[in-house]
Amino acid sequence: AQTVTQSQPEMSVQEAETVTLSCTYDTSESDYYLFWYKQPPSRQMILVIRQEAYKQQNATENRFSVNFQKAAKSFSLKISDSQLGDAAMYFCACSNFGNEKLTFGTGTRLTIIP
Amino acid sequence: DGGITQSPKYLFRKEGQNVTLSCEQNLNHDAMYWYRQDPGQGLRLIYYSQIVNDFQKGDIAEGYSVSREKKESFPLTVTSAQKNPTAFYLCASISWGGYGTGELFFGEGSRLTVL
Repeated sequence: AQTVTQSQPEMSVQEAETVTLSCTYDTSESDYYLFWYKQPPSRQMILVIRQEAYKQQNATENRFSVNFQKAAKSFSLKISDSQLGDAAMYFCACSNFGNEKLTFGTGTRLTIIP
Repeated sequence: DGGITQSPKYLFRKEGQNVTLSCEQNLNHDAMYWYRQDPGQGLRLIYYSQIVNDFQKGDIAEGYSVSREKKESFPLTVTSAQKNPTAFYLCASISWGGYGTGELFFGEGSRLTVL
C-alpha cells in the first residue's frame, strides 16, 4: 500500500516570493509516478506537475518545479514568483506504474499575501 | 469542449435515503474513479472502473455502489448504509492510451449534505 504525507497543513508566502511545499511518500513499487494537484476555491482539481520515478531529472513547468529525492522518498514543490492565483489547496499524490489509482496526501493550504 | 460533468453540484438528503451522483465524460477515457474529500483527510478512493461492466472497490467502498454500463458514465449511489455521507465527491477519469501517465482529469465535484 502507498502512503503520502504532507506535514504542512497551511503555508503562506508574500506575492512574488518563492515557497516550497513538502511531501514524503512510501511505496514498495520500483516504478511509480508522483504528482502535485492544485485545488482552488472553485474546487476543480488541476494537475500542476508530474514526475516519473525512473527519471532523475526534476520536472519543471514554468514557475513550478519539484525536488525529487528518490532515496529519501521526498517530493517537494517549489513555486517561484508566487502570484495571487496560486492561492489554493495543494495535494501531493502517488500512483504505481500501470495502476492509475492515485493515493493523495492530506493537502497544504497555500495563502498568498499581497 | 471535452470534460467531465458531475451533477448535481449540491444535493441535500434526509437520513435513510439513497442518492445517486451522476458522472459523465466525453473524453473517451477508459478508466473512471470516485473520490471522497473531507476536510483534513485529502481524497480517498471509493470505487473505480477500468472497463465497461467492471469495477473495483477502493479504500472506503462501504455504503456506496456504482455501475458502469456505458464508457461515458459512472454513477455513484450513496446508500443509507453509509454512516457519514456528508462530504464533497469528485469523479475523475483517465485514458489507458497514455499507459502509466497517471494524469487524472476531474469533474467539478458534488457536495452532498445529509440533513
